[in-house]
Order: sequence, then structure tokens, then C-alpha cells
Amino acid sequence: NAGVTQTPKFRVLKTGQSMTLLCAQDMNHEYMYWYRQDPGMGLRLIHYSVGEGTTAKGEVPDGYNVSRLKKQNFLLGLESAAPSQTSVYFCASRDPLGRSSSGANVLTFGAGSRLTVL
Amino acid sequence: GESVGLHLPTLSVQEGDNSIINCAYSNSASDYFIWYKQESGKGPQFIIDIRSNMDKRQGQRVTVLLNKTVKHLSLQIAATQPGDSAVYFCAEKRNNNDMRFGAGTRLTVKP
Repeated sequence: NAGVTQTPKFRVLKTGQSMTLLCAQDMNHEYMYWYRQDPGMGLRLIHYSVGEGTTAKGEVPDGYNVSRLKKQNFLLGLESAAPSQTSVYFCASRDPLGRSSSGANVLTFGAGSRLTVL
Repeated sequence: GESVGLHLPTLSVQEGDNSIINCAYSNSASDYFIWYKQESGKGPQFIIDIRSNMDKRQGQRVTVLLNKTVKHLSLQIAATQPGDSAVYFCAEKRNNNDMRFGAGTRLTVKP
């Protein structure tokens, strides 16, 4: 099983450009999350989704939009990239009913997407 | 605001010694806590978890202790090995289903 796959792995943008990060999971997990990781600040929750067609804001949602049109995909969009959005972005998913091999509350992470905004 | 945080950003131990990584949380409504390990260039991986109605849980070489009175969580690693070198995060599940992480502690194991 691939688990959680993030694309692209690396991207360099200019200020003001837009882009979308794609997260795909093949574990039939209901919940999906987007985090950003900056040095010394750990992982901060951007947005999350508890099911297809639903999204919710996390700690740092400003400047980002998300969509969950299909259960297996969670897209993170930057409409107008800023240097402050330079970070490593992680997607994660979980099955709240614990039907998968991991527990109900355990997140399975992707390998990360490194974004640099110049 | 409420947050999950760590007492120390770095920890260096000798191979074979025990390691203790600490975490403080402030959201008394959180019902579940998890420790993750992150190796360089990878996403975090699950180590061990504990529900809020427990005070201790043991795994293979790892033990998590939860003290709800002082809102403190710790991860103990027995007989630390070089492969344990990584950044360790605690995370809490809040009752609105979002999962919040602490800043992380970098563990370095000296041979």
C-alpha cells in the first residue's frame, strides 16, 4: 500500500503565484489533515476534513484554501503565495473508527512537500 | 491560547542510557495523546498513544506517562540506541477532532 502520497515533493514559487498541493490516500480514511512545519515551531494545523465535501479551519488557515471533493484526495491551495508560506507541508489521514491497521486516533503522514516562495 | 508544548528543545544521551522527553499541555478537554517520531526528511511516525483515562502505557522499549493533575506527558525510551536519534513530538486530540502538535524535542544519541 502506498499510504499517503503528496505531490509535488519540491516546488519553488515567486511571490504572488498560485499553486495546489495534492494529497492522496489509499487507506479509505475518513479524516484528512494539512500541517505546515517550520524550524522550532513543530507542526501547525492549517485545515482538516472529517469527510468528503467537508473542511474545517485549524490553527493557521489564513492564506490557504482546501477542498475534499473525493474521499481519497485533500487539496491545499495557495492563491497568492507569500515568502511567509515557505515551509514543509505534511498531509495526514486517519480512520476515526479504527478499522485500519493503525488506531482510530493515529495519523498516517505523507513524506512532505517542501515549498519555497521567493 | 491553549497549546501543546515541550520543556526542552534538545536532549543528548549516551547510547544505552534511558531517555525521558517531556510535554506540557493546557487543553483539559483533550481526550487522547500520541507520541510521534520524525526522522530527517520523513513524515512523523506513530510511536505510542494513551487515552486520558489512563496514566501509563507501555510498549516495546517505550513508556508514556500521563499526569492530568499538572497536564504533563512524558515519553521514556529504555536503552536508547543510535536509531532513536530523531525529533519527537507529542500531539493531543481535541474534542473537535483536530490534532495539535507540540514544538518537538530533538534527541541525539551519542555512541
